Amino acid sequence: EAAVTQSPRNKVAVTGGKVTLSCNQTNNHNNMYWYRQDTGHGLRLIHYSYGAGSTEKGDIPDGYKASRPSQENFSLILELATPSQTSVYFCASGERTGAGNTLYFGEGSRLIVV
Amino acid sequence: GDSVTQTEGLVTLTKGLPVMLNCTYQTTYSPFLFWYVQHLNEAPKLLLKSSTDNKRTEHQGFYATLHKSSSSFHLQKSSVQLSDSALYFCALTSSGSWQLIFGSGTQLTVMP
Repeated sequence: EAAVTQSPRNKVAVTGGKVTLSCNQTNNHNNMYWYRQDTGHGLRLIHYSYGAGSTEKGDIPDGYKASRPSQENFSLILELATPSQTSVYFCASGERTGAGNTLYFGEGSRLIVV
Repeated sequence: GDSVTQTEGLVTLTKGLPVMLNCTYQTTYSPFLFWYVQHLNEAPKLLLKSSTDNKRTEHQGFYATLHKSSSSFHLQKSSVQLSDSALYFCALTSSGSWQLIFGSGTQLTVMP
């Protein structure tokens, strides 16, 4: 089974502060994704990556940056955190979903911005 | 653009009863549909998937049939158990797409 690990699992940040959420996958998947989960909205895509060095905007990229320094690691960066970014963030990895491949999710990072 | 609709936000049932969670989608391309399940404080995990029209797909007692004529992929189970209590997401991708689009989710709660 694919392994995707996220850190930190829980984070309290102050408004205007910088937050970095990290994700590591050990199955050599090309694609990695960052989603946020909010009640009533399901999982919404923030950024994704096709491979090391690439990042692409998803459906709700505003206020977020992403970094993919290696095949295994994909970070989500909030340069100036706001209370509206309080959410649960999930990282996922997988091969091309258009071919029906499965996404493997990490266990989530709960972020509270005060 | 592509979209997924799950009409029920919350479903509460008594153990042993059947359940159907609705999922409809819109896309102009060839669809691939998924159901993911997320138990409390856990990661979402794939439950089942299909791209074949009118073919029933089953896993862990759950089943779904993709009907392209009605753009639907409803999830069913004949007898729910307490352990089925979870959040269920329907998701869509299509040929040529890099993205997986999720519905808003249905929280299933099974009572004793």
